[in-house]
Amino acid sequence: DGGITQSPKYLFRKEGQNVTLSCEQNLNHDAMYWYRQDPGQGLRLIYYSQIVNDFQKGDIAEGYSVSREKKESFPLTVTSAQKNPTAFYLCATYPSTTREADTQYFGPGTRLTVL
Amino acid sequence: AQSVTQLDSQVPVFEEAPVELRCNYSSSVSVYLFWYVQYPNQGLQLLLKYLSGSTLVKGINGFEAEFNKSQTSFHLRKPSVHISDTAEYFCAVTAGGYNKLIFGAGTRLAVHP
Repeated sequence: DGGITQSPKYLFRKEGQNVTLSCEQNLNHDAMYWYRQDPGQGLRLIYYSQIVNDFQKGDIAEGYSVSREKKESFPLTVTSAQKNPTAFYLCATYPSTTREADTQYFGPGTRLTVL
Repeated sequence: AQSVTQLDSQVPVFEEAPVELRCNYSSSVSVYLFWYVQYPNQGLQLLLKYLSGSTLVKGINGFEAEFNKSQTSFHLRKPSVHISDTAEYFCAVTAGGYNKLIFGAGTRLAVHP
């Protein structure tokens, strides 16, 4: 987990409410990512950002939004348009977008339950 | 496009027995390959990675993996498992210079006493 903080660890929301998941890093890494994890499906990429004020959709971006106003922070908002938001959400970072062959570093995750 | 197949969703094994977790990938370009471990309700931790060079890669906790280009495989092995190895293991691939990861569905390793 290192210098990546995700809060809170567990989050409960009522259906139809937007909710924002926090991801903060003090590793000075360039790129940040949001993944969704469901049982038996591995990790699926929601959004990623390689530089401040820029981000790209991943494979399952519908119903989610992000911002990257600071290098250290990449919050994810789960909107009411996301049809099945209950899942485990993982944030990750990547050291340098100009350097190949490195690894992603993962935060501890946030488990979101929509009631 | 790249894809990753982990051939076993669950692998039960007795303590001190050897284990192999299988991973196959498809890609039309050179790849980098990774194995991650996830303990319950935690993030992912890197076990090992293959970038280039020797096809046998050693990682943490006594794990190793062998890259086989002709069979497009990257199987993970440990000669003697411990109860503490009980976790979910993910194989992942990325194309060269491309820092997005494609994950397999995961293999749950259950080590029994």
